[in-house]
Amino acid sequence: DAKTTQPTSMDCAEGRAANLPCNHSTISGNEYVYWYRQIHSQGPQYIIHGLKNNETNEMASLIITEDRKSSTLILPHATLRDTAVYYCIVRVAFNAGNNRKLIWGLGTSLAVNP
Amino acid sequence: NAGVTQTPKFQVLKTGQSMTLQCAQDMNHEYMSWYRQDPGMGLRLIHYSVGAGITDQGEVPNGYNVSRSTTEDFPLRLLSAAPSQTSVYFCASSPGIYHTGGRNQPQHFGDGTRLSIL
Repeated sequence: DAKTTQPTSMDCAEGRAANLPCNHSTISGNEYVYWYRQIHSQGPQYIIHGLKNNETNEMASLIITEDRKSSTLILPHATLRDTAVYYCIVRVAFNAGNNRKLIWGLGTSLAVNP
Repeated sequence: NAGVTQTPKFQVLKTGQSMTLQCAQDMNHEYMSWYRQDPGMGLRLIHYSVGAGITDQGEVPNGYNVSRSTTEDFPLRLLSAAPSQTSVYFCASSPGIYHTGGRNQPQHFGDGTRLSIL
């Protein structure tokens, strides 16, 4: 029941911007979009999250379309250390209470090449 | 600043054995959770806790028990290991009551425990 759709893999040249797209057409109005990444053999690492406005932090920028059905994670100057699997995630309710969980898909495997 | 610490990093068990995967965080986070990650699948939530003394089931809780006696620790117990429990297990923590939607806090993950059941 994945709620997001991402390309399986992408390539990017070192020093260039990496633009990772995500489709989340069924997102509800008050749910955030989260981005995490997982470098090989490590635990997932939080990158950024947003609701409707574009967001920027020291790691990346997040562009969310006005209809909120898709977003793009931008790594402005990709380095070799940015090679990882990138996950675009939304939350869904999963039991009778007010509890929600993150839906983790398979993400996008980004390869940054020298 | 250790963050989320998981031990052991690797473990091999025989079917039917029991063991406890340890998870500790030093950030005074209220919320902690356990996930498993299997090839070809996303992370799946096993159990979670919104504070000391409070635990609840995630989407794949069968075969696992948890307890939360302190804010810092959230161990995961396998009472009778089965080959289907071969996986990489991740523990995560976050401030606030993440799952109830009141606060949208990111989760901090440990580096995982790689568990093989023979």
